[in-house]
Amino acid sequence: AQSVAQPEDQVNVAEGNPLTVKCTYSVSGNPYLFWYVQYPNRGLQFLLKYITGDNLVKGSYGFEAEFNKSQTSFHLKKPSALVSDSALYFCAVRVPNRDDKIIFGKGTRLHILP
Amino acid sequence: KAGVTQTPRYLIKTRGQQVTLSCSPISGHRSVSWYQQTPGQGLQFLFEYFSETQRNKGNFPGRFSGRQFSNSRSEMNVSTLELGDSALYLCASSLGVTGQGAYEQYFGPGTRLTVT
Repeated sequence: AQSVAQPEDQVNVAEGNPLTVKCTYSVSGNPYLFWYVQYPNRGLQFLLKYITGDNLVKGSYGFEAEFNKSQTSFHLKKPSALVSDSALYFCAVRVPNRDDKIIFGKGTRLHILP
Repeated sequence: KAGVTQTPRYLIKTRGQQVTLSCSPISGHRSVSWYQQTPGQGLQFLFEYFSETQRNKGNFPGRFSGRQFSNSRSEMNVSTLELGDSALYLCASSLGVTGQGAYEQYFGPGTRLTVT
């Protein structure tokens, strides 16, 4: 069965420092991977996706993620954190042509400290 | 272009009642998915519709059902409400179900359902 793990419930980072939000996955087949962000009382916003090609994917708001097939990871990164990056981040995986359902991780709450 | 809209935004119902939630996708999007979000279980997939047909279904009891209309608008219905159905229900739309654009979902703000 497909699964996505976000091992950290919460990550605290000082403003201006680099941030990493971790995501690992377990699937049979080639995954499509996604990151979404959720601000309070809002729906999820799409940040970036990996479908194929370059393992380093750049997305919205200066975020990027690296697909690592050998480690089955898709960590979200940003070189310099902003207080406005504080939100709930979700990693998701989908395997087309299998059951094709999208599975979300439990979410990681990111706190950027001023 | 208008985003995904969901109505109502907030709803309070009593155990045993039924409820219908509505979702209007982004113009031109033909796929609509529904999710349940709770603090304990996180985001759980309910079902996905494309061209008025259910493509996929999550592991929810039959009390949860949905449909999609010819204009791609979708509704989900929960019958015989239970306290555990209290959650944020999110709708997401995407262009279709094939091609790279298919997998970029755009979410609505959600409907907050409280069952008392």
